[in-house]
Amino acid sequence: GAVVSQHPSRVICKSGTSVKIECRSLDFQATTMFWYRQFPKQSLMLMATSNEGSKATYEQGVEKDKFLINHASLTLSTLTVTSAHPEDSSFYICSASEDTQYFGPGTRLTVL
Amino acid sequence: AQKVTQAQTEISVVEKEDVTLDCVYETRDTTYYLFWYKQPPSGELVFLIRRNSFDEQNEISGRYSWNFQKSTSSFNFTITASQVVDSAVYFCALARARDDKIIFGKGTRLHILP
Repeated sequence: GAVVSQHPSRVICKSGTSVKIECRSLDFQATTMFWYRQFPKQSLMLMATSNEGSKATYEQGVEKDKFLINHASLTLSTLTVTSAHPEDSSFYICSASEDTQYFGPGTRLTVL
Repeated sequence: AQKVTQAQTEISVVEKEDVTLDCVYETRDTTYYLFWYKQPPSGELVFLIRRNSFDEQNEISGRYSWNFQKSTSSFNFTITASQVVDSAVYFCALARARDDKIIFGKGTRLHILP
């Protein structure tokens, strides 16, 4: 099956810094990628839909200026959490679509 | 609006018992897809099954089976002869298309006790 990778798998940062998370489709091209967030013991919530070559579509309640998404190529989408705060600590999971959705392994972000 | 309800927050059963995880969905779409995912403690989502709205046949895969009933908008998941390795959080989910965004239920945390 298709493989989606995420980097880093785990990151710890200080409050106020920015963190970039990469999502790559390793063996297929994905015009659409999705970013989900999962707080501890909760479900996955869609944050945004990332479209190659165009602006991302954000779900209601997600700050687009805080969570910057760049889908620069058909195999790479990045999520940058700007000026991270402890409440942004979460598990971020991306997925890429090629006929069906394939999920990455997730990135655990801890903001101190 | 689309919605997935997993009423069972947490279930504990003794190993070798059968267990059924319930899933009820809401959608106005005539075409849609239903999914089940397993999330072990590592966090990575493990795909278990995808079913489209036109295929109401039940499916069995080893110890796993799924019961899809459009009449009750349910897509229940049964594990037969449970094992400790089945302990995880299980999510039922819904999407309009195979490659569209996925709406997840809140998940059921399953504990299989030795």
